[in-house]
Amino acid sequence: AQSVTQLDSHVSVSEGTPVLLRCNYSSSYSPSLFWYVQHPNKGLQLLLKYTSAATLVKGINGFEAEFKKSETSFHLTKPSAHMSDAAEYFCVVSENSGYALNFGKGTSLLVTP
Amino acid sequence: NAGVTQTPKFQVLKTGQSMTLQCAQDMNHEYMSWYRQDPGMGLRLIHYSVGAGITDQGEVPNGYNVSRSTTEDFPLRLLSAAPSQTSVYFCASKYTPSSYNEQFFGPGTRLTVL
Repeated sequence: AQSVTQLDSHVSVSEGTPVLLRCNYSSSYSPSLFWYVQHPNKGLQLLLKYTSAATLVKGINGFEAEFKKSETSFHLTKPSAHMSDAAEYFCVVSENSGYALNFGKGTSLLVTP
Repeated sequence: NAGVTQTPKFQVLKTGQSMTLQCAQDMNHEYMSWYRQDPGMGLRLIHYSVGAGITDQGEVPNGYNVSRSTTEDFPLRLLSAAPSQTSVYFCASKYTPSSYNEQFFGPGTRLTVL
């Protein structure tokens, strides 16, 4: 079964500095990978997705992620953090059937002034 | 489009009570699903449906029932609530079950079982 591991449960950055949220995946197929964001007491919003096209995926709000098969990684980055980026971020892999999403445990991003 | 809607937003139950969490989508999506979110656990799949009349179990189905009589609605029933079912519940849908498709999530229902 496909799974993801988010390597950091909490990340703290200063406003204006780069963001790196790390995710490794395990999959016996070419996976479909997603990053979702959840702001406090809100639902989940899709940031970006990888579905076997370009390995560098651009998403909303300046986020991007690079699919690296050799490293089985799908890290999320942003050049310059904004206060509004403070949220919980989930790396997600889809089962090959598409019937289930397997979520990582989440990374809480704190942005300090 | 309203997207995926859930009611109620908050609910408090006593152990042993039953209730139904409502979910509806107006995007004509074939696939709908229910997840629960617990601290430090991410989201875990409870049940899903690939079309009207078709449902199946996910990772954590015990204590929950679902049905899909229409394309739009996918209610989640708690038969006899237990404190372990205290959680935030999210309904989601996507156009088809394809793994390439984005899932759209509702705003969630926060359930407390005393």
